[in-house]
Amino acid sequence: DADVTQTPRNRITKTGKRIMLECSQTKGHDRMYWYRQDPGLGLRLIYYSFDVKDINKGEISDGYSVSRQAQAKFSLSLESAIPNQTALYFCATSRALASTDTQYFGPGTRLTVL
Amino acid sequence: QQQVKQSPQSLIVQKGGISIINCAYENTAFDYFPWYQQFPGKGPALLIAIRPDVSEKKEGRFTISFNKSAKQFSLHIMDSQPGDSATYFCAAESRGNTDKLIFGTGTRLQVFP
Repeated sequence: DADVTQTPRNRITKTGKRIMLECSQTKGHDRMYWYRQDPGLGLRLIYYSFDVKDINKGEISDGYSVSRQAQAKFSLSLESAIPNQTALYFCATSRALASTDTQYFGPGTRLTVL
Repeated sequence: QQQVKQSPQSLIVQKGGISIINCAYENTAFDYFPWYQQFPGKGPALLIAIRPDVSEKKEGRFTISFNKSAKQFSLHIMDSQPGDSATYFCAAESRGNTDKLIFGTGTRLQVFP
């Protein structure tokens, strides 16, 4: 969905490096999410934010941190990347208190940690 | 803890056939059950969703069947087409409570001509 953009789209890095993945949205949604996708494990929630001042851990937050710089921007950081963080990362957004809780996903960032 | 179990992991169907993907959940507080479709190189996108007050929802060739007592729901794709080849994720949410989607592990569907 072009309304949710992620940068970079692909990244190869080395163990121990700090990495930041960025997400921007033009949908005007309050809620933003970071997921990682691994084969056979589906989509797992890393962090989520229901508004600019609200940050919450998901099921697999260890080794990650986030920053909600504005309603439209939500960044995911790996302070010291390790090989098992190699995965496909997705940002998603949704409207607060909507009658249907549709999440809109970005195109993903493929991260490889060597 | 896998709260939403999805099967099969992969599925091969001939064009025109019926594709069936199953999901089971544990948390009785879940009250919203969407299916997402993901094409290669793209993010998942909502395909169809159901709430537990109905047993079936149909949109075109896609139907969700829901069995509240068994805590199971399934996606049926009728007259499957090669363009349906994608990965499908079921999910569940307790709206107004956690407001977080719990996804299944995904099913890779391949439809051959």
